[in-house]
Amino acid sequence: EVQLVESGGGLVKPGGSLRLSCAASGFTFSNAWMSWVRQAPGKGLEWVGRIKTKSDGGTTEYAAPVKGRFTISRDDSKDTLYLQMNSLKTEDTAVYYCTTHSSTWLKYWGQGTLVTVSS
Amino acid sequence: DIQMTQSPSSLSASVGDRVTITCRASQSISSYLNWYEQKPGKAPKLLIYAASSLQSGVPSRFSGSGSGTDFTLTISSLQPEDFATYYCQQSYNMPLTFGGGTKVEIK
Repeated sequence: EVQLVESGGGLVKPGGSLRLSCAASGFTFSNAWMSWVRQAPGKGLEWVGRIKTKSDGGTTEYAAPVKGRFTISRDDSKDTLYLQMNSLKTEDTAVYYCTTHSSTWLKYWGQGTLVTVSS
Repeated sequence: DIQMTQSPSSLSASVGDRVTITCRASQSISSYLNWYEQKPGKAPKLLIYAASSLQSGVPSRFSGSGSGTDFTLTISSLQPEDFATYYCQQSYNMPLTFGGGTKVEIK
């Protein structure tokens, strides 16, 4: 059974940093492209960024609102995906989900972790 | 960026009703269109991929159609467990973008 378990969310002040983790199991993590998607309270879904597999170059892409502030990385030895978030803004407050890519769709989702940016 | 527009933003329907949700892309996206269901407090769940392919385990009352810029998600006979918010998402190019969602409520 595929499982994605996010952790690391919490309350942080504007300008602060936070690192989210997503522990994967039930599939070959090193073969999976992964994305982060977020959802602000009461709002819709917003794609944050994606990382390819190392065999596909391990490259990353980001949404414009987070580019230059957020960094996605992966540790295939630990089956774990990361989202490093710096220079956080109040508008980054959201539930953050990690997801797996299957071809061009987002097949499996974690339960999400809440990040609150507030003074 | 490709903008995805869903309509309606919400609807009220009764159990047994046929429900249709529309998603329009700001440019042609071929069949690179996916649908997700989200219930309150839960993660989204993939329903339909590549416009019309039913994800394994999803009931056959769900169907998707369309190509180019106009797409439809249909629930042939609404069940109590289908009351949720539905999102379309394009995967034609980056950044991936979602529609604003359609909330299906009980009439």
